[in-house]
Amino acid sequence: ETGVTQTPRHLVMGMTNKKSLKCEQHLGHNAMYWYKQSAKKPLELMFVYSLEERVENNSVPSRFSPECPNSSHLFLHLHTLQPEDSALYLCASSQGEGRPNEKLFFGSGTQLSVL
Amino acid sequence: AQSVTQLGSHVSVSEGALVLLRCNYSSSVPPYLFWYVQYPNQGLQLLLKYTTGATLVKGINGFEAEFKKSETSFHLTKPSAHMSDAAEYFCAVSAGGTSYGKLTFGQGTILTVHP
Repeated sequence: ETGVTQTPRHLVMGMTNKKSLKCEQHLGHNAMYWYKQSAKKPLELMFVYSLEERVENNSVPSRFSPECPNSSHLFLHLHTLQPEDSALYLCASSQGEGRPNEKLFFGSGTQLSVL
Repeated sequence: AQSVTQLGSHVSVSEGALVLLRCNYSSSVPPYLFWYVQYPNQGLQLLLKYTTGATLVKGINGFEAEFKKSETSFHLTKPSAHMSDAAEYFCAVSAGGTSYGKLTFGQGTILTVHP
């Protein structure tokens, strides 16, 4: 148990659906992240939030919309996704403000399949 | 810009044998280097990290890595493999300075341990 909880664990959605991924951290951390893990590709950073402000958007398409209502919760809203968006979506948090030397604590991920 | 190359997508060792997972990096600035491990159906966990100072870094579960600037390498080793070490291992690099936590990951190495 890393202190970072993601729900749901699995999600199947059609290309016209709207769904949201949820992440909650119980560690009192200030920074939260979304990563995408696709088969046979390295993990890709999507977004970084520091103290509830988005500080990094790594050229992610607008069909992915993050939301960080407070320092403990992070959402990823999904709409009109494509089959190539199928992947494991990992949430992470870190103690500081999202600086590059910080230890990341990862959730177990949401396995997303887009049909 | 940073990049990471992990040599060998699969490594297989016998229980009790030396584990060596190779990582080479490219960075235009002094790097921060990390090894993360991912067990099945779980998120990533930090094994160890190098920021500055001593080039031989010790991590959890008996793993260690040595930063060699001249070789741009950060190989992960463990003297004696255990069955519980079977997992996927990721090397990652980030830029120093004031940038936010943009970790660049390698493609991962799956470690199999045979009895």
